[in-house]
Amino acid sequence: SQKIEQNSEALNIQEGKTATLTCNYTNYSPAYLQWYRQDPGRGPVFLLLIRENEKEKRKERLKVTFDTTLKQSLFHITASQPADSATYLCALPSRYALNFGKGTSLLVTP
Amino acid sequence: NAGVTQTPKFRVLKTGQSMTLLCAQDMNHEYMYWYRQDPGMGLRLIHYSVGEGTTAKGEVPDGYNVSRLKKQNFLLGLESAAPSQTSVYFCASRERLAGGPSTGELFFGEGSRLTVL
Repeated sequence: SQKIEQNSEALNIQEGKTATLTCNYTNYSPAYLQWYRQDPGRGPVFLLLIRENEKEKRKERLKVTFDTTLKQSLFHITASQPADSATYLCALPSRYALNFGKGTSLLVTP
Repeated sequence: NAGVTQTPKFRVLKTGQSMTLLCAQDMNHEYMYWYRQDPGMGLRLIHYSVGEGTTAKGEVPDGYNVSRLKKQNFLLGLESAAPSQTSVYFCASRERLAGGPSTGELFFGEGSRLTVL
């Protein structure tokens, strides 16, 4: 069966450091992968999409990599800020929908 | 431009009661989805719709029914609520891109928090 795995343990880092979150998947051959941010009590918000033929995508302080051989995507936030504290979800396509990982909680402390 | 609006935001039900969650989007999106989110389980797809008048089952459809009579609305019904349906329900929508399945982002509502006693 298809699986999307994200580190269930919360990631605690100090302000200014780079946060790196991992998304691993099995039994998928995705044409793309998406990352979302979810704040407590809110719906997820789209951050980035990376296609299978793209190795890396950047948007401001965010960088996503996509390795279809390793079946893995890495999500980096550089110069992290306390406002970056949230849960980050990766999502892979499944026909007409998206399947989501369980998310990784990031806490950035001053 | 409200995006995706869910009503109600909170509801408490007794076992066996029925209710309907309403999702409305004003972006003229073809695709709409209902997910549930539970601690430790992540977002799981209940039902989805690829256009007005169409619906399809997702990963966890049992105990739920849906209808898409109008393009902008997607209703999720619980005919006989059970405690296992206590959850946060999210509606989402996205556009259909020409030439194939959409790669577009999902736009989510703020969630409907349902407790079944």
